[in-house]
Amino acid sequence: EPEVTQTPSHQVTQMGQEVILRCVPISNHLYFYWYRQILGQKVEFLVSFYNNEISEKSEIFDDQFSVERPDGSNFTLKIRSTKLEDSAMYFCASSEADPITRSRQFFGPGTRLTVL
Amino acid sequence: AQSVTQPDIHITVSEGASLELRCNYSYGATPYLFWYVQSPGQGLQLLLKYFSGDTLVQGIKGFEAEFKRSQSSFNLRKPSVHWSDAAEYFCAVGLYNNNDMRFGAGTRLTVKP
Repeated sequence: EPEVTQTPSHQVTQMGQEVILRCVPISNHLYFYWYRQILGQKVEFLVSFYNNEISEKSEIFDDQFSVERPDGSNFTLKIRSTKLEDSAMYFCASSEADPITRSRQFFGPGTRLTVL
Repeated sequence: AQSVTQPDIHITVSEGASLELRCNYSYGATPYLFWYVQSPGQGLQLLLKYFSGDTLVQGIKGFEAEFKRSQSSFNLRKPSVHWSDAAEYFCAVGLYNNNDMRFGAGTRLTVKP
């Protein structure tokens, strides 16, 4: 079965540094998502992306976050100036564009971000 | 606002015993309902989903879930648990034409030999 991949699996950074988390969605999917899971807490929606623009975003997704599809295969999440509270597992997901199957999101294995 | 509640933080069952994980949602309309499983160090894998129709849905790995509108619940069940089922289980709510999927806090399942 096709799968979503994410790199790196673990990223350690200093507070204030910029990080880019990378995702390769399933090739025929057109909707892309980022979620995060702070240790011990629930998975939270950050943003969805379709047709080269943000479709929806949560209140967590503030100006320090941005997403991009720089080429035909990658989908990235950039955190401009990391804070300690950005430490979390970040999950990428993708889905088809059909309104019914769009809700079937396929998740990647996650990138664990540690901000020191 | 939509929300998902998983009342049980941690459940321990013996291998071979039956399992029920509870999930309640709060939303004005019937949402799409999902159960995901997360093994340690792994991503989220979809077990099953409910959109409409038959309220008892079958999923992978022998899991099933029943949508009960009157109770706003979507509990996950398995008649006989295997040691490999030990994982974190998340209930999630999605909306038609809305990409903002909301997750419950998760229930950690431990399986005793």
